[in-house]
Amino acid sequence: DIQMTQSPSSLSASVGDRVTITCRASQTIYTYLSWYQQKPGKAPNLLIYTVSTLQSGVPSRFTGSGSGTDFTLTISSLQPEDSATYYCQQSYSASITFGPGTRLEIK
Amino acid sequence: QITLKESGPTLVQPTQTLTLTCTFSGFSLSTTGVGVGWIRQPPGGALEFLALLYWSDDNRYSPSLRRRLTVTRDTSKSQVVLTMTNMGPVDTATYHCAHYWSGYYSPGRGNDAFDIWGRGTMVTVSS
Repeated sequence: DIQMTQSPSSLSASVGDRVTITCRASQTIYTYLSWYQQKPGKAPNLLIYTVSTLQSGVPSRFTGSGSGTDFTLTISSLQPEDSATYYCQQSYSASITFGPGTRLEIK
Repeated sequence: QITLKESGPTLVQPTQTLTLTCTFSGFSLSTTGVGVGWIRQPPGGALEFLALLYWSDDNRYSPSLRRRLTVTRDTSKSQVVLTMTNMGPVDTATYHCAHYWSGYYSPGRGNDAFDIWGRGTMVTVSS
């Protein structure tokens, strides 16, 4: 299995802050990396796929970058509605795996 | 508009077999590169991939759960069925199905991600 790790596991930031979440794969996954946002009681929502492609309807303050094994999700100017848990996910290997999640709280 | 909806029992006895159905609309599971996946999430926990069934009937399974899982389809009903044997309390979770489109098999169209999800169905394993 390819293991996915995320850091931090949780963070608290203020409206307007720039926030970065890191995801690391245990081996190269090329560009097979996606990011999801999940709010309590809701299904996950795809934000970004193939490292940096923004899903339709997702605000442009969300950006993704990285390559190989190290990836980041950046929120350029945090909004109150961005309070959620964020997951990365690789689909390179036969067994898809998700990261453990990063809980983002708004101060 | 793509939609998916999970259905099945809310309570399962330990050692029993769980059968969940994903009924979808707005896409065809005959389209090259398209798949339907199953992902679960225990209460307060993280997402865990279970299985993915492709248009070609190829599939991908979680290695740790492979022996317990089977995913099949009923094309005439636009449904994908997940079967998990020997259920235990640790399998208590919300089970989601989701649309997947492989960019490998459909360059320029697929996104190699679960882009549309069902709301999920909560399954509790308890006697």
